[in-house]
Amino acid sequence: DAEITQSPRHKITETGRQVTLACHQTWNHNNMFWYRQDLGHGLRLIHYSYGVHDTNKGEVSDGYSVSRSNTEDLPLTLESAASSQTSVYFCASSSSGTGGEAFFGQGTRLTVV
Amino acid sequence: GENVEQHPSTLSVQEGDSAVIKCTYSDSASNYFPWYKQELGKRPQLIIDIRSNVGEKKDQRIAVTLNKTAKHFSLHITETQPEDSAVYFCAAPSSGYSTLTFGKGTMLLVSP
Repeated sequence: DAEITQSPRHKITETGRQVTLACHQTWNHNNMFWYRQDLGHGLRLIHYSYGVHDTNKGEVSDGYSVSRSNTEDLPLTLESAASSQTSVYFCASSSSGTGGEAFFGQGTRLTVV
Repeated sequence: GENVEQHPSTLSVQEGDSAVIKCTYSDSASNYFPWYKQELGKRPQLIIDIRSNVGEKKDQRIAVTLNKTAKHFSLHITETQPEDSAVYFCAAPSSGYSTLTFGKGTMLLVSP
């Protein structure tokens, strides 16, 4: 069965370190997204991609970057981790065009100490 | 970009009662309105969606209504059960594209 997986599930890192969260999907979806979830804020879009070599900034992109070298993967990098980036991160994918279901990964809980 | 407002933030009902969650959106070009359910510690999952060419859609105990003129849509859950307890998110696409903007969520608590 097609799926979308994130790794690691839990991560503790220190302030200032670079961290990369992995996202891999086997749906063959062109669209991939990264959201962060914080209490009181819901799901906020960090970055998104509509295809290989395409990346776009979302609502809360400062301090984050992504790259899309193939259809399956969209890794999220925190350039220099800050305590404000402690959150639960969700990757999602959807098929091309408007109005398609977004499938979410299991989430990564990141703690920056 | 799209702005989605969701109310209420929490909703407590007795088992068997109905629950209604409302969302408003700002972009009149939006044409797809999904609802996601997130159980504690789990990922959000689509439970129902509606497109702008229909006004209402039902799937067993859940239904969604859309008023494009007023730019709002609602989730209705009838005969609520304890397993309906979760956080529910509405969403709308930004500028007609595939990127979804989510509401802040509604925590629904169904008491036995």
